[in-house]
Amino acid sequence: DVKVTQSSRYLVKRTGEKVFLECVQDMDHENMFWYRQDPGLGLRLIYFSYDVKMKEKGDIPEGYSVSREKKERFSLILESASTNQTSMYLCASSFKFREGANEQYFGPGTRLTVT
Amino acid sequence: LAKTTQPISMDSYEGQEVNITCSHNNIATNDYITWYQQFPSQGPRFIIQGYKTKVTNEVASLFIPADRKSSTLSLPRVSLSDTAVYYCLVGDRSGGYNKLIFGAGTRLAVHP
Repeated sequence: DVKVTQSSRYLVKRTGEKVFLECVQDMDHENMFWYRQDPGLGLRLIYFSYDVKMKEKGDIPEGYSVSREKKERFSLILESASTNQTSMYLCASSFKFREGANEQYFGPGTRLTVT
Repeated sequence: LAKTTQPISMDSYEGQEVNITCSHNNIATNDYITWYQQFPSQGPRFIIQGYKTKVTNEVASLFIPADRKSSTLSLPRVSLSDTAVYYCLVGDRSGGYNKLIFGAGTRLAVHP
């Protein structure tokens, strides 16, 4: 089974702290994604990566950065956490698009609270 | 980017068939239609995917008319454990990066 793991299920940080969220997948997927999910807003794409050291902005990249030094690992960084970044963060991975096979596999999520 | 529209919520009872319809008027020629399921405090889980006509797997069926401007997810004989949020997505292949756009989803409540 595909496994996507995230470093923490729950995290509490203070305003202004630098926060690292780590995601690891074990299926040799090329693509990796970071989303945030907020009530009433569904999932919104923050950043994605289609290869090592490559990254693309999603719909809401402001206040975030990412790092992909190894194929299996994709990190989301909040340079200076703010209270409006309190959210559920979800990591996902997938193969590059193949005919009929663009399924994304999601991790369990990290619920981040910034106080 | 093709946007999807689906009902905000639906109610059903155990043992009934549930059909959730999604509209995607601007779907592109190469786009696939994918449905995900999400339980509280979990990440979404892939249910089914199709391009046209009908696709069936062990958990659901997906009906797509010829114009592909809508699709219907059919869940046969739902149980309480099917209570979840269901997302309809249209695959955006721009750049080949498999970027999906999640809408607000349909919150399905199954009652005893």
